[in-house]
Amino acid sequence: DAGVTQSPTHLIKTRGQQVTLRCSPISGHKSVSWYQQVLGQGPQFIFQYYEKEERGRGNFPDRFSARQFPNYSSELNVNALLLGDSALYLCASSSGGPGPQYFGPGTRLLVL
Amino acid sequence: DQQVKQNSPSLSVQEGRISILNCDYTNSMFDYFLWYKKYPAEGPTFLISISSIKDKNEDGRFTVFLNKSAKHLSLHIVPSQPGDSAVYFCAASEANAGGTSYGKLTFGQGTILTVHP
Repeated sequence: DAGVTQSPTHLIKTRGQQVTLRCSPISGHKSVSWYQQVLGQGPQFIFQYYEKEERGRGNFPDRFSARQFPNYSSELNVNALLLGDSALYLCASSSGGPGPQYFGPGTRLLVL
Repeated sequence: DQQVKQNSPSLSVQEGRISILNCDYTNSMFDYFLWYKKYPAEGPTFLISISSIKDKNEDGRFTVFLNKSAKHLSLHIVPSQPGDSAVYFCAASEANAGGTSYGKLTFGQGTILTVHP
C-alpha cells in the first residue's frame, strides 16, 4: 500500500517568493494535517483539513494557506517567504478520528 | 507555552537493556497519546499509541504507560537494539472545537536515543 507522498522533496527559494507544497494521503484517509519542523524541535501544527474543510489552524501568519481537493490531496502555500520559513514541511494523513497520523517524508524548504 | 515536554534531550543505552523515554503534558483535554520515531531526512514513523481510557498498551518490544493523574507517559523498549537509535517524539491530541475530528498533534521536543552494541 502506498503511504503518504509529498512533492517536491527539496526546494530552494529566495526571500519574498511564493511556494506550493503538495501531499497525497493514504488511500481512504480523509484528513490531512500540515506541520513545520525546524532543527532541534518537534513538528509544529499548521493546518488540518478534513473532508475538504479547514478544521484547525495553528499559530502561523496569514502568509500560510492550504486547501484540500475532492480526491483528498492537499496543497500548502506560503507567500512572501522569509528566511525563518526554512524548515522541513510534513504532511500527515489519518481517518480523522482519534487514531494515528501517518507522515510523509517531508519537503525540505530552504529560503535564501 | 510548551504543552508537551520531553525533558531528556538524549538517552544512551546498551544493546539488550531497557530504554525508557519520558514525556509530560499540561493540557488535561488531551485524550490520545502517541510515540513516533524519526530518522534524519525522513518523516516521523508511528510506533504506538494509547487512549486516555487506558493506562498501558503493548506492541511487541514497545510498551507505553500513561499516568493521567501525573500527566505523564513513558515508552519502554525491551530489549533495545542498535536499529532503535533515532529521535523519539511523544505527541498528544484532542478533538477539535466541534468534536468532529482529531487533526492537531502537539509534539514534545524529542529525545535522541542511542543504543550501543
